[in-house]
Amino acid sequence: NAGVTQTPKFQVLKTGQSMTLQCAQDMNHEYMSWYRQDPGMGLRLIHYSVGAGITDQGEVPNGYNVSRSTTEDFPLRLLSAAPSQTSVYFCASSYARTSGGTDTQYFGPGTRLTVL
Amino acid sequence: AQKVTQAQTEISVVEKEDVTLDCVYETRDTTYYLFWYKQPPSGELVFLIRRNSFDEQNEISGRYSWNFQKSTSSFNFTITASQVVDSAVYFCALSELAFKAAGNKLTFGGGTRVLVKP
Repeated sequence: NAGVTQTPKFQVLKTGQSMTLQCAQDMNHEYMSWYRQDPGMGLRLIHYSVGAGITDQGEVPNGYNVSRSTTEDFPLRLLSAAPSQTSVYFCASSYARTSGGTDTQYFGPGTRLTVL
Repeated sequence: AQKVTQAQTEISVVEKEDVTLDCVYETRDTTYYLFWYKQPPSGELVFLIRRNSFDEQNEISGRYSWNFQKSTSSFNFTITASQVVDSAVYFCALSELAFKAAGNKLTFGGGTRVLVKP
């Protein structure tokens, strides 16, 4: 298993540009989520999904969109990048607790995004 | 609202010393999970341990040990006989069962950077 994969590893954008951060997992996990990591603030939840077609907002959703058309993929879209979105983005997946599986979340390697 | 506090932002030790990382949490739920993750300089997040709130038995895994005390809302982590490879940022995280229908939202502490010098 590749686990959780993220692309790209690094990205530089100009203010106002749009882009999509890709996330995929091959563990058949129902639950997927996106976090951002900023210095001294730990990780904060942006959006999450409990299955294909179902998404919801986390703690810091503004400026980001998500969709979940398949179990495997959970892309994060920045429609109009802002310098405040400079951060490291992590995707994570796990079995959903309601399915009875182990709900420990496993994280991808991260995407370091800089918005100029 | 749930909250996780790691008061120590950075700890520096000499190799073979023990180091204890503090984690204090706040939650209104009576049933929850606690986690520790390690983030080495390479940047990935590595899962270390998961504990249920109804199981206060302390755990030892090699040089790692965890002390969970529900009465003080603490879940501390100790590295015994530290090694240079233990240098990393360590995160404590909380997940409440009240959100079980909505997935496994994690609330993270700010992290503690551990620097082990040779």
